[in-house]
Amino acid sequence: AQSVAQPEDQVNVAEGNPLTVKCTYSVSGNPYLFWYVQYPNRGLQFLLKYITGDNLVKGSYGFEAEFNKSQTSFHLKKPSALVSDSALYFCAVRDINTDKLIFGTGTRLQVFP
Amino acid sequence: DAGVIQSPRHEVTEMGQEVTLRCKPISGHNSLFWYRQTMMRGLELLIYFNNNVPIDDSGMPEDRFSAKMPNASFSTLKIQPSEPRDSAVYFCASSTGSLETQYFGPGTRLLVL
Repeated sequence: AQSVAQPEDQVNVAEGNPLTVKCTYSVSGNPYLFWYVQYPNRGLQFLLKYITGDNLVKGSYGFEAEFNKSQTSFHLKKPSALVSDSALYFCAVRDINTDKLIFGTGTRLQVFP
Repeated sequence: DAGVIQSPRHEVTEMGQEVTLRCKPISGHNSLFWYRQTMMRGLELLIYFNNNVPIDDSGMPEDRFSAKMPNASFSTLKIQPSEPRDSAVYFCASSTGSLETQYFGPGTRLLVL
């Protein structure tokens, strides 16, 4: 079965420092991977996706993610965190058998001033 | 673009009452998804439609839940009768196809007393 894992419930980082939110996946075949962000009392917002091509994917708000096939990872990164980046981040993979999006459990990012 | 529109944003009801949640997808999108988010279970796909036709309802918890999409611009999720364990945030999302990026609405926060 297709799945994603987000090993960290929470990530704390100081403003201005680089941030990484981890995601690993398990799929049969080529993975379709996504990152979404959820701000308090809001719906999920699409950040970026990997379908094929360059392993480094650039997305909204200065975020990027690196697809690593050998490590089956798709970590979300940003060179310099902002307090306004504080939110809940979800990694997701498309299940090729059902076309459904399978979401991770989410990682809460807290950026301190 | 107005994005995905959901109503109501908040609903408080008593156990046994019927609850109807509404969703207007983004114009031109032909896939629509209903999700439920809780602390315990995370984000779960309940059902999705392609071109107004239900494709997969395997996530619908039980017969008390039903969803319809009478036309391309409107969908409902109904719970009858409602129970306290149905309390959650319900999200609607739409996309241009089941393989494409999903765009989420702001959600309906449901509390069943």
